[in-house]
Amino acid sequence: DIQLTQSPSFLSASVGDRVTITCRASQGISSYLAWYQQKPGKAPELLIYAASTLQSGVPSRFSGSGSGTEFTLTVSSLQPEDFATYYCQQLNTYPLTFGGGTKVEIK
Amino acid sequence: QVQLQESGPGLVKPSETLSLTCTVSGYSIRSGYYWGWIRQPPGKGLEWIGSIYHSGSTYYNPSLKSRVTISVDRSKNQFSLKLSSVTAADTAVYYCARDVSSGSDYWGQGTLVTVSS
Repeated sequence: DIQLTQSPSFLSASVGDRVTITCRASQGISSYLAWYQQKPGKAPELLIYAASTLQSGVPSRFSGSGSGTEFTLTVSSLQPEDFATYYCQQLNTYPLTFGGGTKVEIK
Repeated sequence: QVQLQESGPGLVKPSETLSLTCTVSGYSIRSGYYWGWIRQPPGKGLEWIGSIYHSGSTYYNPSLKSRVTISVDRSKNQFSLKLSSVTAADTAVYYCARDVSSGSDYWGQGTLVTVSS
């Protein structure tokens, strides 16, 4: 199975901060990576697919980059509604796998 | 608007079979895509369980493969999950989702299944 390692696992930030989350794959996955946002008690929501393509309706302050084994999710200016847990997922190979998650909390 | 809704018992006894159904509205399963199940133990991360194509072909997580069956009922626009021989470790929120090649773009709200006697 392809392992995805997210860092950091926890992040404390303020409104307006630029935030970057990293996802590293145990082997190359091209650009078959998605990012999700999950708020407490809710289902995850797709933010970015194909490593860097913004899902329809997602604010442009979110961006993704990377290919191969290293990927990043960046929020250019953190808003109050962005405090949540973020997961990466690889779709290159079955079984599909998720990273362990990054919880973004208010400083 | 595509919507998915999980249904099934919220409490299952150890060693029994967990059965959940996902009802899809706003999109016909016959039209395509994979349809998947993902679970999340309380306070933990996401685990992909498996997916089924509209034609019926399936992919399962090897860690669960011996216990999992996913099926589709195109006439009812539903797909289902069966997980046998459950233990407390199978206690989780179970989500169904539409799997496009690039991610899961529509999700159900999730249903908590507790395994306990």
